[in-house]
Amino acid sequence: DGGITQSPKYLFRKEGQNVTLSCEQNLNHDAMYWYRQDPGQGLRLIYYSQIVNDFQKGDIAEGYSVSREKKESFPLTVTSAQKNPTAFYLCATIDLHTQYFGPGTRLTVL
Amino acid sequence: AQSVAQPEDQVNVAEGNPLTVKCTYSVSGNPYLFWYVQYPNRGLQFLLKYITGDNLVKGSYGFEAEFNKSQTSFHLKKPSALVSDSALYFCAVRGGDTGRRALTFGSGTRLQVQP
Repeated sequence: DGGITQSPKYLFRKEGQNVTLSCEQNLNHDAMYWYRQDPGQGLRLIYYSQIVNDFQKGDIAEGYSVSREKKESFPLTVTSAQKNPTAFYLCATIDLHTQYFGPGTRLTVL
Repeated sequence: AQSVAQPEDQVNVAEGNPLTVKCTYSVSGNPYLFWYVQYPNRGLQFLLKYITGDNLVKGSYGFEAEFNKSQTSFHLKKPSALVSDSALYFCAVRGGDTGRRALTFGSGTRLQVQP
């Protein structure tokens, strides 16, 4: 997991609430990514950012939002519009070719 | 579009025996291929990658993988399995000319090593 931290480790949300997942890195990597992991489906790309103040939608961006105001930080907001938010969320950075992952946040909607 | 197939949901092997976890891929252009391992409720750990060069790639913890372009495969191997190798393994790919550099993952293969 190296220099990538994610918080909280576990998060519980009531339906209709927005929640924000934190991702911080001290690897000095420009690009950062958010993936969602569901059982039996592997990881799917939500959003990514190649540089500060720029970000792009991934394959499953609906119901999510991000910001990239600092190189070290790439928070993900799960909005009430996300129909099935219960999942394991993983943040990653990239060093030339290789992606490195944080420890993840498990979000459960009650 | 790029895709990865891991045809086995689970692989069972006895400790000390060789193991193979299969992966095939589809991508435009030259593939960049990766293997990651995940332990319960943890992030993914990088094991090894193929970018260019020798088809046999060696990685962490004694794992290796063979790139086969004609069969579009990148199977993960280890000569002698350990109980501690039991985990979830993911194969991933991206095209070399993909600007976003995001990975496409397979659905994962659970490796169970029996003592």
